[in-house]
Amino acid sequence: AQSVTQPDIHITVSEGASLELRCNYSYGATPYLFWYVQSPGQGLQLLLKYFSGDTLVQGIKGFEAEFKRSQSSFNLRKPSVHWSDAAEYFCAVGAMYSGGGADGLTFGKGTHLIIQP
Amino acid sequence: ETGVTQSPTHLIKTRGQQVTLRCSSQSGHNTVSWYQQALGQGPQFIFQYYREEENGRGNFPPRFSGLQFPNYSSELNVNALELDDSALYLCASSLGQLANYGYTFGSGTRLTVV
Repeated sequence: AQSVTQPDIHITVSEGASLELRCNYSYGATPYLFWYVQSPGQGLQLLLKYFSGDTLVQGIKGFEAEFKRSQSSFNLRKPSVHWSDAAEYFCAVGAMYSGGGADGLTFGKGTHLIIQP
Repeated sequence: ETGVTQSPTHLIKTRGQQVTLRCSSQSGHNTVSWYQQALGQGPQFIFQYYREEENGRGNFPPRFSGLQFPNYSSELNVNALELDDSALYLCASSLGQLANYGYTFGSGTRLTVV
């Protein structure tokens, strides 16, 4: 079974500083990887996804993530954060549909990003 | 294109009651999945419907059931509500049953069981 670990429950970053949110996954084959953002009381918005190919993927709002198979990681980065980036960030892994039943996405517990002025 | 819409946005129910939550999928999407997000946690997969049939289920008891209609909208039904069922319920739609299609999430229904 797949699993996702987001080691940082909270991260505080000054506005304009760079950001890296960590994500480690466990999955037997090549995973499908996602980063979602959630503002308070809202649903999930997709930031970016990785399925195959170039291991550095670009997303919306200036975010990027790098897939490192050797480290089982898919860390999210942004060179300069804005106050509007304050939110909850979730990393998720999806399994290839095997015909035996869909497993949906497995999410980490999330990282709460706080932006200091 | 319209996104995923869920109704109602908030709901309060009493323990033991039954509840139905509704989801309209994004235009062109034939797959709907449901997630439960408890406070301070990541979403957990409940089940997925593809072309009106359940084709995947997470670790949830049978009192969680669903339907998908010919227009690909969906319902989540929960019977015999328990206090621990209090959560944000998220619906997600997709172009197909494969994870690589990606998922578009709605804003959720906040269910409170008292």
